[in-house]
Amino acid sequence: KAGVTQTPRYLIKTRGQQVTLSCSPISGHRSVSWYQQTPGQGLQFLFEYFSETQRNKGNFPGRFSGRQFSNSRSEMNVSTLELGDSALYLCASSAGAELNEQFFGPGTRLTVL
Amino acid sequence: DQQVKQNSPSLSVQEGRISILNCDYTNSMFDYFLWYKKYPAEGPTFLISISSIKDKNEDGRFTVFLNKSAKHLSLHIVPSQPGDSAVYFCAAADSGTYKYIFGTGTRLKVLA
Repeated sequence: KAGVTQTPRYLIKTRGQQVTLSCSPISGHRSVSWYQQTPGQGLQFLFEYFSETQRNKGNFPGRFSGRQFSNSRSEMNVSTLELGDSALYLCASSAGAELNEQFFGPGTRLTVL
Repeated sequence: DQQVKQNSPSLSVQEGRISILNCDYTNSMFDYFLWYKKYPAEGPTFLISISSIKDKNEDGRFTVFLNKSAKHLSLHIVPSQPGDSAVYFCAAADSGTYKYIFGTGTRLKVLA
């Protein structure tokens, strides 16, 4: 069974631009969560989707948004990029509606210049 | 506020000995806990989990202990191997919110 895939793996943008990151969960998984990882901050929760509905979100500004499609694939969008948005963005999928172990993709490394 | 804390940023252990990684949490609503291992340039890999109805869970060389009264969990790795060298994250979740909160990680180095 294929794992969680994320595209692109690396991205360089300039301040003020916007970016869209994509995540394909493990086949059959319906929950997708997004995290931002920066040095010293661990993994910061962005949002979680289940069956195309956002069930929870973290404490990030409205510039960060996401969505989930009917095939469970998810996208995350960041508008008006700031230097501080440079980070590793991780996507994780889990099987069902209840709490389960999450399986992570390799991440997208975003650099904002 | 940091609801999940890993107070030791790094730990070094000799090969064959026990590695003990610690994690503290503040939210009494957390009822599901997980440990992940992360190598550079890879996403975290799930290791082991425990629900709040248990106080211990074992999987091979990995054992997680949960002390609910102290709001503390620990991961024991016995025996430690050089391949275990990685950053370890603990995470906690509240089944009412579907939100996983991660600690900042502990870098484990197993010395050959």
